[in-house]
Amino acid sequence: GAGVSQSPSNKVTEKGKDVELRCDPISGHTALYWYRQSLGQGLEFLIYFQGNSAPDKSGLPSDRFSAERTGGSVSTLTIQRTQQEDSAVYLCASSPGTFTDTQYFGPGTRLTVL
Amino acid sequence: AQSVTQLDSQVPVFEEAPVELRCNYSSSVSVYLFWYVQYPNQGLQLLLKYLSGSTLVKGINGFEAEFNKSQTSFHLRKPSVHISDTAEYFCAVIRSGNTGKLIFGQGTTLQVKP
Repeated sequence: GAGVSQSPSNKVTEKGKDVELRCDPISGHTALYWYRQSLGQGLEFLIYFQGNSAPDKSGLPSDRFSAERTGGSVSTLTIQRTQQEDSAVYLCASSPGTFTDTQYFGPGTRLTVL
Repeated sequence: AQSVTQLDSQVPVFEEAPVELRCNYSSSVSVYLFWYVQYPNQGLQLLLKYLSGSTLVKGINGFEAEFNKSQTSFHLRKPSVHISDTAEYFCAVIRSGNTGKLIFGQGTTLQVKP
């Protein structure tokens, strides 16, 4: 079946612009995660959605970052007023539901802030 | 704070030789342990995970790992590597009772030489 998909695959933006990154999880998966992969910080958790529960936003690095998940499926990560340090690969993962279930990762969105 | 340490950033090895990639974690509570692999220009893929039970866990592609609670380690091993095993390997933990967010080590690049 189809895996996790993310769009765009690459995004180049200018400092100060807003960007939106999209994630389509595997159908039927109730849990959705966003991570960030950068040279300096490695792989970092950003935010977690589970069903209708309040999201775990504990990993968001600043209030410029926000995410939503509509209808329990597609998720959008928004970064406002982008900075150069936001340059990274943003990864989305989904899992069937319980917190020890395998997380299936998408190919990522490479964000470059000039 | 919980952390994961991968002791080697790069491991060069010749084809058909055995390999061990080391991972140590620090946590005052129970954790669940994972190894993920990232092949060049591909997304993260689960190799294996330890949740409970037998401390020796077998995964895909001939890899296995052993959970050692007294040494807080979860080293990954393969008795004979192939060129195709060249990739970056990440050890990760989920804290018991947490939301399922993965905390990753810095990664180990396995370079298999002919």
